[in-house]
Amino acid sequence: QSALTQPASVSGSPGQSITISCTGISSDVVNYNLVSWYQQHPGRAPKLMISEVNKRPSGVSPRFSGSKSVNTASLTISGLQTEDEADYYCCSYGVTRAYVFGTGTKVTVL
Amino acid sequence: EVQLVESGGGLVQPGGSLRLSCSASGFTFSGYPIHWVRQAPGKGLDYVSDISTGGVYTNYADSVKGRFTISRDDSKSTVDLQMSSLRSEDTALYYCVIGIHSSYGFDIWGQGTMVTVSS
Repeated sequence: QSALTQPASVSGSPGQSITISCTGISSDVVNYNLVSWYQQHPGRAPKLMISEVNKRPSGVSPRFSGSKSVNTASLTISGLQTEDEADYYCCSYGVTRAYVFGTGTKVTVL
Repeated sequence: EVQLVESGGGLVQPGGSLRLSCSASGFTFSGYPIHWVRQAPGKGLDYVSDISTGGVYTNYADSVKGRFTISRDDSKSTVDLQMSSLRSEDTALYYCVIGIHSSYGFDIWGQGTMVTVSS
């Protein structure tokens, strides 16, 4: 089963909002509300930012929010800050491989 | 403090074997499924395998099925990943991960152990 599809890069200026999309085949994103999002800074382990489509773990900034529509999940970062510059990955629970990650998106703060 | 520590990585020739171990502390180990996720140098995250509580169920990515075996020892709070018939494409940093506060999100990651498959 192929990885979920994300844009390779997304950029924005400080204070702006950006949205990262995550598109999956039907057995992954559509049938399950089990999409999570991870932030990874260079040389660091990934950090859980969103679970189950739109649940924010304790300690994660409310500037991060998640949503899902049909076969696309999205992560929105509001009030973009320089420390948000990182790689972001979506992940979905599916049938065939249990979990599958997205291709990853590099967020650049201009 | 909840902690996962991976070990066992190293340099191995193509076709060889390696056994990774994940040692856990700070939580009730037996109550959680454990997962392995890898990341090739400069590449994205790749789901590898998981094992349910009690070791009843295991799951593998198609790319490692038949070559990797996951197991757990709740008495020692460890999970092992036995890797055989290794290929160059298995070269990656291997993370042990769990979801403590989220059933379907991985909120605890180890520091990773590097596996390099090369002649």
